Amino acid sequence: SQQGEEDPQALSIQEGENATMNCSYKTSINNLQWYRQNSGRGLVHLILIRSNEREKHSGRLRVTLDTSKKSSSLLITASRAADTASYFCATDENAGGTSYGKLTFGQGTILTVHP
Amino acid sequence: KAGVTQTPRYLIKTRGQQVTLSCSPISGHRSVSWYQQTPGQGLQFLFEYFSETQRNKGNFPGRFSGRQFSNSRSEMNVSTLELGDSALYLCASSARTGGLYGYTFGSGTRLTVV
Repeated sequence: SQQGEEDPQALSIQEGENATMNCSYKTSINNLQWYRQNSGRGLVHLILIRSNEREKHSGRLRVTLDTSKKSSSLLITASRAADTASYFCATDENAGGTSYGKLTFGQGTILTVHP
Repeated sequence: KAGVTQTPRYLIKTRGQQVTLSCSPISGHRSVSWYQQTPGQGLQFLFEYFSETQRNKGNFPGRFSGRQFSNSRSEMNVSTLELGDSALYLCASSARTGGLYGYTFGSGTRLTVV
C-alpha cells in the first residue's frame, strides 16, 4: 500500500523556473527519501532527510520535513529540461527500529520542464 | 564502481509460466530489496535479503519468492504467472541496514505476461 500522497500529480514549468513537489505520509518514520525516475527506468536516489532534521540542501535541491504535519517538500531551483522525470518520495517507516529494506513510496509527481 | 545490474531487461512470458529475475548489487552491498512497479499500484515492496536471509516481506502471494547467494546476488521467482504480474521489477541494494544512506536501484526488468 502507498504511504501517502504526492502533490501535484503533474507539474509543467519552463526552464529556469523553480519546481516544488509535496509529499504526505501516515506513520512515524526514520527518514524520508526522494528519488527520480526517467521514463520507466530505475530510480535514482536524490536526497535523504532524517526524522530529526527539518531542512536539507544538495546542489539545486532543497528538502524540508515537518514531522508534526507528516509532510515533506522537494524544491528544485532553476529547473532544466534534463530535470524532466517522475519524482517519488519514500519513507523508511520503522521509527526507532529497522525497516529491513522496506521503503514505502508515494504515487509520484510527473515533472515536465520545457526548454 | 559498477551499479546494480538487473537481467534480463525485458521479458515476455505466457500466463501460467514461471520466471526468474536476477539482480547483482553493488560490490560490498549485502542488502538487496525487490519492488514491483505498476501504473495502478505504484511501487510496492516485495522482500529484502541480507546475508542470504530474507528479513522482510511485503504483502504479495506465495507465488513470489526470492533468494540471495553468498556473493549477495539475488534472484526473484514468480510462479504461475498471471496477467496482473506484468510490471517493472526493480531491485535495490544498500551497504547498511535500513537504508541509512539511501538505496541504489537497478534499471529494472520489464515483465510482460500475455
